[in-house]
Amino acid sequence: DAKTTQPNSMESNEEEPVHLPCNHSTISGTDYIHWYRQLPSQGPEYVIHGLTSNVNNRMASLAIAEDRKSSTLILHRATLRDAAVYYCILRDVDYGQNFVFGPGTRLSVLP
Amino acid sequence: GAGVSQSPRYKVAKRGQDVALRCDPISGHVSLFWYQQALGQGPEFLTYFQNEAQLDKSGLPSDRFFAERPEGSVSTLKIQRTQQEDSAVYLCASSFVRRGDEQYFGPGTRLTVT
Repeated sequence: DAKTTQPNSMESNEEEPVHLPCNHSTISGTDYIHWYRQLPSQGPEYVIHGLTSNVNNRMASLAIAEDRKSSTLILHRATLRDAAVYYCILRDVDYGQNFVFGPGTRLSVLP
Repeated sequence: GAGVSQSPRYKVAKRGQDVALRCDPISGHVSLFWYQQALGQGPEFLTYFQNEAQLDKSGLPSDRFFAERPEGSVSTLKIQRTQQEDSAVYLCASSFVRRGDEQYFGPGTRLTVT
């Protein structure tokens, strides 16, 4: 699986939007971009994933650069519950079942 | 519906003891994964099952680690002769069989070897 690069940590104020960046310059054409997050003392949970087009769901939006070498997870209105470690992961749709996690970005949300 | 459950949630073992960690995946999920997460790091893949078949065990760190899923449902990760470096959170995840499907993770078992 191709490698991703994320900032170690970020801070946000409650009720403000948060943009979490991820660089993946070696992404291949069949790599999906997945985002998971891990709340304290819990297992990771799915946030969103996409291939080429921007994606929206009830939790977040995923903005994918036109060249696919970077993407941004957008939380539209951060809450205290969004404080977690966010992982950006690439996984080839054609092979490889497991996820390869990096250290992720630790998001702190300030009241 | 019920998510992935793991038991025990916490386990303290003396060095040299054997431990068994259980994972109950979501009903109907064909794929099951085990990950190991050291403090402050992301999860690392250990092994993968499709039904009862263990298709990938490339992440198991030593032959002291053994996993099984005999009936294609519940899985057990066994660690023999535990060492201090085995202290970690052990996460189980399950998913449908189609490639690219999201994985649903359990809360993990925190193993501390003293």
